[in-house]
Amino acid sequence: DAGVIQSPRHEVTEMGQEVTLRCKPISGHDYLFWYRQTMMRGLELLIYFNNNVPIDDSGMPEDRFSAKMPNASFSTLKIQPSEPRDSAVYFCASSPGQGLAPSTDTQYFGPGTRLTVL
Amino acid sequence: AQSVTQLDSQVPVFEEAPVELRCNYSSSVSVYLFWYVQYPNQGLQLLLKYLSGSTLVKGINGFEAEFNKSQTSFHLRKPSVHISDTAEYFCAVSEPFGNEKLTFGTGTRLTIIP
Repeated sequence: DAGVIQSPRHEVTEMGQEVTLRCKPISGHDYLFWYRQTMMRGLELLIYFNNNVPIDDSGMPEDRFSAKMPNASFSTLKIQPSEPRDSAVYFCASSPGQGLAPSTDTQYFGPGTRLTVL
Repeated sequence: AQSVTQLDSQVPVFEEAPVELRCNYSSSVSVYLFWYVQYPNQGLQLLLKYLSGSTLVKGINGFEAEFNKSQTSFHLRKPSVHISDTAEYFCAVSEPFGNEKLTFGTGTRLTIIP
């Protein structure tokens, strides 16, 4: 398997523009997680899905952020409008979730998308 | 709610010396514990995890960690480090029968000095 795939790897945009980040999880994985990493706040969970359904979006910073998972092989994280404080590395991760306790699962991370908002 | 504390933000170590990266957790219930490593410009990958059983857990690349319930700690150790171990190390915790979220610590940057 190719692992978790994210695109683009780098994104530079201007304040106010819409940004869409994409993620393809590992085939067969039931859980998908979106994280944001910054120097100031570390690694934050934004939202996660189970079988394409959003389970917990309490980490989404504000209404400018939205995430979708239209099918088992694709998810998007959208920021509209973007602001300079959104600059960060955004990671997508997936986990199998097929055991009795999904909280024991290893999460497999993609390489991340480095977003810079000017 | 669970939380993780990594007291050392940076740890410099000479090559071939031993290293210990500290992790303490706080939870009202039993926990699962993880160590992840992030190499420069890459995503995180699992080093090892403690679910139950033996408190000494062995992981990849010669790392091991010991779960200590009385001290609520899960410190990561390696007897002899290599230049290639330069990376950021994250401790994380999840709860059985809770949600599937991992709570990560703030990370420890390990720098190997030649």
